[in-house]
Amino acid sequence: NAGVTQTPKFRVLKTGQSMTLLCAQDMNHEYMYWYRQDPGMGLRLIHYSVGEGTTAKGEVPDGYNVSRLKKQNFLLGLESAAPSQTSVYFCASSRRSTPEAFFGQGTRLTVV
Amino acid sequence: AQKVTQAQTEISVVEKEDVTLDCVYETRDTTYYLFWYKQPPSGELVFLIRRNSFDEQNEISGRYSWNFQKSTSSFNFTITASQVVDSAVYFCALSEAFRAGNMLTFGGGTRLMVKP
Repeated sequence: NAGVTQTPKFRVLKTGQSMTLLCAQDMNHEYMYWYRQDPGMGLRLIHYSVGEGTTAKGEVPDGYNVSRLKKQNFLLGLESAAPSQTSVYFCASSRRSTPEAFFGQGTRLTVV
Repeated sequence: AQKVTQAQTEISVVEKEDVTLDCVYETRDTTYYLFWYKQPPSGELVFLIRRNSFDEQNEISGRYSWNFQKSTSSFNFTITASQVVDSAVYFCALSEAFRAGNMLTFGGGTRLMVKP
């Protein structure tokens, strides 16, 4: 049982490049999330999904897009990367019935 | 709007000392959940505990204990007889009970350093 798996673990992008972060969970959780972690600011919610085919904006959605075509996968896209998007990105999932979220190992993204 | 404040950004203790990590929250909801997560140096986030707003019983798990006080909007975390392996960043978080999505609002985190 792998839990929540994020791909890739590290990435360096040049300003203006695009990329997609992949999150996969094998726990059959209904809800999935993308957070970003910046020093001193804790984790902030970028986008979330309450089910297959549905997504919604979180606290800091600008510059990101998401898709959830399958229940087990949640993709985070950066169309035109900016240095302000340098961060550690965490994917998480939870059951509808229990609120605790389980996190992936994180993706460290650097935009130069 | 919800807010979680962890006023202690860094704490340094010597092994075997007791240490308390503070967490203060704001919410308009009458029913909510509170959480603590641990982030060790390896970087992953580990779920430690969830408390429901309607249950103010304190909880103890081994060397860990949690003190939930609704009157002061606080959910503090105490580690007794700290060990070097407790060195990590600890996050307090809050979510609304009846909003679809279970989204978490995190505090800024407290970095705990336990020295041998």
